[in-house]
Amino acid sequence: AQKVTQAQTEISVVEKEDVTLDCVYETRDTTYYLFWYKQPPSGELVFLIRRNSFDEQNEISGRYSWNFQKSTSSFNFTITASQVVDSAVYFCALTTNTGNQFYFGTGTSLTVIP
Amino acid sequence: GAVVSQHPSRVICKSGTSVKIECRSLDFQATTMFWYRQFPKKSLMLMATSNEGSKATYEQGVEKDKFLINHASLTLSTLTVTSAHPEDSSFYICSARRFGAMNTEAFFGQGTRLTVV
Repeated sequence: AQKVTQAQTEISVVEKEDVTLDCVYETRDTTYYLFWYKQPPSGELVFLIRRNSFDEQNEISGRYSWNFQKSTSSFNFTITASQVVDSAVYFCALTTNTGNQFYFGTGTSLTVIP
Repeated sequence: GAVVSQHPSRVICKSGTSVKIECRSLDFQATTMFWYRQFPKKSLMLMATSNEGSKATYEQGVEKDKFLINHASLTLSTLTVTSAHPEDSSFYICSARRFGAMNTEAFFGQGTRLTVV
């Protein structure tokens, strides 16, 4: 069975602070794909990143960075120098080749205070 | 990237009426579409998987007769909430997978916020 856990329900930070959103996943498949999505108040899911299980290289995109560690089954997301526009709910998700659906974590609601 | 359009984005209906939500893949053929439901401050839960030209596969606990899914073409899937009740109020999101693609290429619609009064 697949499972994604985002232990942090809500996080508040002051603008310009760095913040890390945690994601832990469970799967028995050897090939799987991890995602992060941003959901602003309007509701749409904004794709941020996809990482496959064979690529543990960390990635940086502007103020965003991701740390994928298979040893701990984690795929954490860091926002550097947070901004008010970063306020949203962030979802970590997992999918595999053997199934159809995306398995979402429960989301982390991030509030950046000006 | 590929575009999935969902319509309407918001709908308010009276209890007992039916509401249809459309999910269209605008620039690719989608053999498989997925319907998710999101309760307030909750995660997205898969309701059903629809394959073009065949019956949808519903997840356990989802009422087939209440949530009618039709995937009549490679670019359109519809979700009809029949005899809606206030407890059906929720945010519904569809996603579409490109023909021949792996699970990694699923694109999400903008979502539909349904309020039943």
